[in-house]
Amino acid sequence: SQQGEEDPQALSIQEGENATMNCSYKTSINNLQWYRQNSGRGLVHLILIRSNEREKHSGRLRVTLDTSKKSSSLLITASRAADTASYFCATIGSGGYQKVTFGIGTKLQVIP
Amino acid sequence: AAGVIQSPRHLIKEKRETATLKCYPIPRHDTVYWYQQGPGQDPQFLISFYEKMQSDKGSIPDRFSAQQFSDYHSELNMSSLELGDSALYFCASSLGQGTDEKLFFGSGTQLSVL
Repeated sequence: SQQGEEDPQALSIQEGENATMNCSYKTSINNLQWYRQNSGRGLVHLILIRSNEREKHSGRLRVTLDTSKKSSSLLITASRAADTASYFCATIGSGGYQKVTFGIGTKLQVIP
Repeated sequence: AAGVIQSPRHLIKEKRETATLKCYPIPRHDTVYWYQQGPGQDPQFLISFYEKMQSDKGSIPDRFSAQQFSDYHSELNMSSLELGDSALYFCASSLGQGTDEKLFFGSGTQLSVL
């Protein structure tokens, strides 16, 4: 089954606007992480939210987690052209160490 | 700060050839992960190692094998290459296997099978 399915798969906004990306997953998790990937490059860790947390902030990033709905959202405020990238959520299952599983990702384009 | 180093950056092979991808984790990181990412696709987990032992296995074909060496670097060996193996292969490393560990990714190896 697919963990971490992102929604929308593509998003185009104007610079200065906020961008919201959603992620749903299927199984119980220990934590959920968001990563960013510039085209053809490696993924870069953005933020981690634990299963007992509901919201977390880091700079212009705000992440929420709703374990009852098995969903998370990533909000980027005051977007910049440099935020143009693909964003992936990744989950680590509960019950001990498990592999980090990535979803399909949201391709964000911020237009200057 | 040192990052995850992958080599080569690009690799072109013919069908049925073999390929070896190398990954050098961040110093002191003891866990290595391999992911395969096709064009427009999400990274697919292949295999991971912790302290030189395989710790988890994903959708890695039987034609592929990997290992982690005593210096913690890892190699992904791919044999009988097929056109469908063309993808970006990422290595990531982390310190330990705790569930709060974040992964640090290399820049990837772009494999093209012709």
